Amino acid sequence: GENVEQHPSTLSVQEGDSAVIKCTYSDSASNYFPWYKQELGKRPQLIIDIRSNVGEKKDQRIAVTLNKTAKHFSLHITETQPEDSAVYFCAASTAGYSTLTFGKGTMLLVSP
Amino acid sequence: NAGVTQTPKFQVLKTGQSMTLQCAQDMNHNSMYWYRQDPGMGLRLIYYSASEGTTDKGEVPNGYNVSRLNKREFSLRLESAAPSQTSVYFCASSDGQRYVQYFGPGTRLTVT
Repeated sequence: GENVEQHPSTLSVQEGDSAVIKCTYSDSASNYFPWYKQELGKRPQLIIDIRSNVGEKKDQRIAVTLNKTAKHFSLHITETQPEDSAVYFCAASTAGYSTLTFGKGTMLLVSP
Repeated sequence: NAGVTQTPKFQVLKTGQSMTLQCAQDMNHNSMYWYRQDPGMGLRLIYYSASEGTTDKGEVPNGYNVSRLNKREFSLRLESAAPSQTSVYFCASSDGQRYVQYFGPGTRLTVT
């Protein structure tokens, strides 16, 4: 089955800096890669996703890049703010199936 | 539009007791999922239902059973709770085609 590795497990940045979280996946048939943000005590919520026919997608301060050859994808957050502090999860879905395999998460701490 | 709802929010069980976690969605989604979330382990799929009338095992199904009662409702049952089942349980749903999953608020279960 699919295996998703996520790094780093924790990331501390100063407000205004950029943050990058990286994930690798094992199944070359995977074709959908979402990123979820989970604030303390809350449910995971989708913040951005990318499909395998696209190399990069941007939404205001967040962007995701996908390298299908290397089987890795990354989340980029620019101009970080304290409210960006949360746990971020990457995931991968395999073609023909509606299930997601999640990475173990990255705790992002943004200091004022 | 409530989205995905779960009951109860909190539950404490003694080892060997049984209980059912309830999940409902009002988005007319075909697919529904049950995950457990443990510290440092990300979200792990327990069972899923790709469409009404079908259920399938996920990554960690042992000790659990599920019922897709109708298109809206998907329940998770613990027949004989064990301390290893102490976790936060999330239900999610998707339309089964776009792969985007929407999560419920979670149930925090403690087994003593």
